[in-house]
Amino acid sequence: KNQVEQSPQSLIILEGKNCTLQCNYTVSPFSNLRWYKQDTGRGPVSLTIMTFSENTKSNGRYTATLDADTKQSSLHITASQLSDSASYICVVRANTGNQFYFGTGTSLTVIP
Amino acid sequence: GAGVSQSPRYKVAKRGQDVALRCDPISGHVSLFWYQQALGQGPEFLTYFQNEAQLDKSGLPSDRFFAERPEGSVSTLKIQRTQQEDSAVYLCASSSAVAEQYFGPGTRLTVT
Repeated sequence: KNQVEQSPQSLIILEGKNCTLQCNYTVSPFSNLRWYKQDTGRGPVSLTIMTFSENTKSNGRYTATLDADTKQSSLHITASQLSDSASYICVVRANTGNQFYFGTGTSLTVIP
Repeated sequence: GAGVSQSPRYKVAKRGQDVALRCDPISGHVSLFWYQQALGQGPEFLTYFQNEAQLDKSGLPSDRFFAERPEGSVSTLKIQRTQQEDSAVYLCASSSAVAEQYFGPGTRLTVT
């Protein structure tokens, strides 16, 4: 069964600190993996998209890693800001069909 | 703006009422997706259009849910005889290619 699991479910960190969010998936055959940021009351916004051959990709203070062998990805946020408070969703697309498999998200709260 | 728009943003319906949710995708985007997002959960796939053709409706939870995109642009998700378990945020996403999706802000449906 194609599944995407994220951890932790929620996280609270101090402003300026770093954090890492995890994503494990069983989706096969794998096409790509993306991380989205979803602010409360808004639709998800793409942060990064990674294909099978990519190990790491950065977008400002966000760095995503992908290990296609172990089917794991992480999203590292550096020097967190209050505006980073949001839900971060990992989405995996299979190489067949048109479905995207969503994780349940990690709720991040950055406090001053 | 040039993004995906959805209307209404909020909808309250009494149990048993029919509702219609509208999605205006980014102009020229061929693909359109509908998702259902329960509180605290990741989006769950409902249905997918390529132009006016509904290629995948495997995620629609029951025959009370119906989606259309008659001219390959605007799409409407209709829910008949709403039930309390239909309460969720309904997200629409569009893309020019299946690799990337742009999400609308969602419609929050509350069934009382």
